[in-house]
Amino acid sequence: GAGVSQTPSNKVTEKGKYVELRCDPISGHTALYWYRQSLGQGPEFLIYFQGTGAADDSGLPNDRFFAVRPEGSVSTLKIQRTERGDSAVYLCASSLGLAVTGELFFGEGSRLTVL
Amino acid sequence: AQRVTQPEKLLSVFKGAPVELKCNYSYSGSPELFWYVQYSRQRLQLLLRHISRESIKGFTADLNKGETSFHLKKPFAQEEDSAMYYCALRPGGYNKLIFGAGTRLAVHP
Repeated sequence: GAGVSQTPSNKVTEKGKYVELRCDPISGHTALYWYRQSLGQGPEFLIYFQGTGAADDSGLPNDRFFAVRPEGSVSTLKIQRTERGDSAVYLCASSLGLAVTGELFFGEGSRLTVL
Repeated sequence: AQRVTQPEKLLSVFKGAPVELKCNYSYSGSPELFWYVQYSRQRLQLLLRHISRESIKGFTADLNKGETSFHLKKPFAQEEDSAMYYCALRPGGYNKLIFGAGTRLAVHP
């Protein structure tokens, strides 16, 4: 595709529900990132995939958050038992490699609102 | 702790005025620094990285390890420069970016 694609663009859910957010990276990009951006804050790192494996998941806030990338392309961020504090814009980015190009290509984000 | 601080939430200038967006970082190793920009209704995108030492859209940034700063500068601001600017740090050996909270630049005619 032309760029990183994220769906849904907006998601409203109720406290306690389960949510899945999807990211389709730029074709050929082996690195994929999830960030969370709360109102008035910069993007906060959640997890980084190199291929199919999570190379760094140190930013996941707790065990309610989980992400997969089973075939090394599309990734899904899964949030269980959502809480109001999970409300944020969830950004996905892909890259040929930060060490190589230094550039992350971001999607437009998925805005999650937990009521 | 690895941290990026952008002390100004909003910087408001008139067209043609010089601009300096401040960025300070906290990291004990050898960092790589970036500026990312988000224009209205557009995606977050790379503006420049300190390693390339290039000027993009008239913007430059110099890494000052003594002051742990990476301020973004432009001598003459244009209205189209109005955007959110984020400073980011890549800790050595890590494949992730740590972002500051961002500064909104508003350039008035």
